[in-house]
Formats: sequence, C-alpha cells, structure tokens
Amino acid sequence: GAGVSQSPSNKVTEKGKDVELRCDPISGHTALYWYRQSLGQGLEFLIYFQGNSAPDKSGLPSDRFSAERTGGSVSTLTIQRTQQEDSAVYLCASSFPGTRGGEQFFGPGTRLTVL
Amino acid sequence: DAKTTQPPSMDCAEGRAANLPCNHSTISGNEYVYWYRQIHSQGPQYIIHGLKNNETNEMASLIITEDRKSSTLILPHATLRDTAVYYCIVRVARNGNQFYFGTGTSLTVIP
Repeated sequence: GAGVSQSPSNKVTEKGKDVELRCDPISGHTALYWYRQSLGQGLEFLIYFQGNSAPDKSGLPSDRFSAERTGGSVSTLTIQRTQQEDSAVYLCASSFPGTRGGEQFFGPGTRLTVL
Repeated sequence: DAKTTQPPSMDCAEGRAANLPCNHSTISGNEYVYWYRQIHSQGPQYIIHGLKNNETNEMASLIITEDRKSSTLILPHATLRDTAVYYCIVRVARNGNQFYFGTGTSLTVIP
C-alpha cells in the first residue's frame, strides 16, 4: 500500500471493555506516532516510536493506554477498561526522519465510540 | 503545550490569497515552524516548513518574521478544496520529530 493504513475504521464498544487499534505504517518509515482527536479539538500526542529505541510514552493519558510496535513495523494501541471520555478519533502517522523535516504521513484514523 | 497561537477561524474568497497568521513568541533557535492542514474527516497533511528563511512550494508560501516570533502561511489562490483546519506547529527538539498540534485555524473558502 502507498499510505498509512489503520483498522478498524470504526469501533463501537461498551464501557469497561478493552479495545485494540492497529496501524500499518508506510514501508521503510522508521518513526511511528499515535495521536487522538476528540470532537472539535486539535490532535493530542500519545506515543512515539523511533526505530529500536524505547518509545516515548509521555503523552499517554493513563496506564489504561499502551502501545507496542512489532518488528519495527505494525503498531497496536490498546485501551483497557474503556471509558466514555476515550471516545475520539485515533490517528496514526509515520515518518522517515530527515525527509522534509520529518514530514508525518497520517492514516485515516479509527473512530472509537465508547457507550 | 502547543507553543503557538492562531485565530480560531477565517474566511477567504475563492481565488484570493489566504493569509493565515501564527504567533510563536517562545520559539527556540533550533525549532522549526511547520504547517499542516486537516480536511474534514481526513488525517492531517503536510504543507510546508521553515526555520528562518521564507519558503515556497507547490502548495503555499511561508513567511517567517526576522525575530521568528510569528509567521504567515499564504495560499496564493484559494480554492474551495482549501477549506480545512490549518495547524501551525513548532517542532519540539526532543527525542526526534515530535509534533504538538494546537486547535488550528478553521479556514472557509467562500465561492
């Protein structure tokens, strides 16, 4: 694929359930980012992976949120015991640092709704 | 911690230049100014970035003041497809290419 892909595109879950969101970055991109965007708001940085370095988790809002990146490619964002305030669009981006200032290419997002 | 200030909304007539301002008075010497835009229901899209010199590409021009405390993104001939939220971002020079998006400017191009 030519761009960043995310799945599912939409997820509806009940409060208290766990969810997993997937991101497939552009092949060869070493950096991967997760953001979330609540309705009418800007993007909120969550976590950043760069190559084999330890991820920067400074943006994760609570310990219910975690993410991993396997084999330096696909990433999964996991939200445990979901709450209604977790409802948002979760966006993934990838980049190759040094190219156009580390331009980030964004996926279409996963819209999460917690009932 | 967005470090930038933008007007929440602007209108522009189709075919006219759209000038979107951004204040970044606390910018550090090694921090770049980036502009992204987000069309409804899509992920953000890179537009342009610069350090201190003015920049131009196929999409837009970026004018950065000499003291680097503010900048302006110029869309020379706005079209209806340019209606979007425009984000001005100062790159945080920490552990790679992290970006902090604020709430941006919602630009509406009017026919």
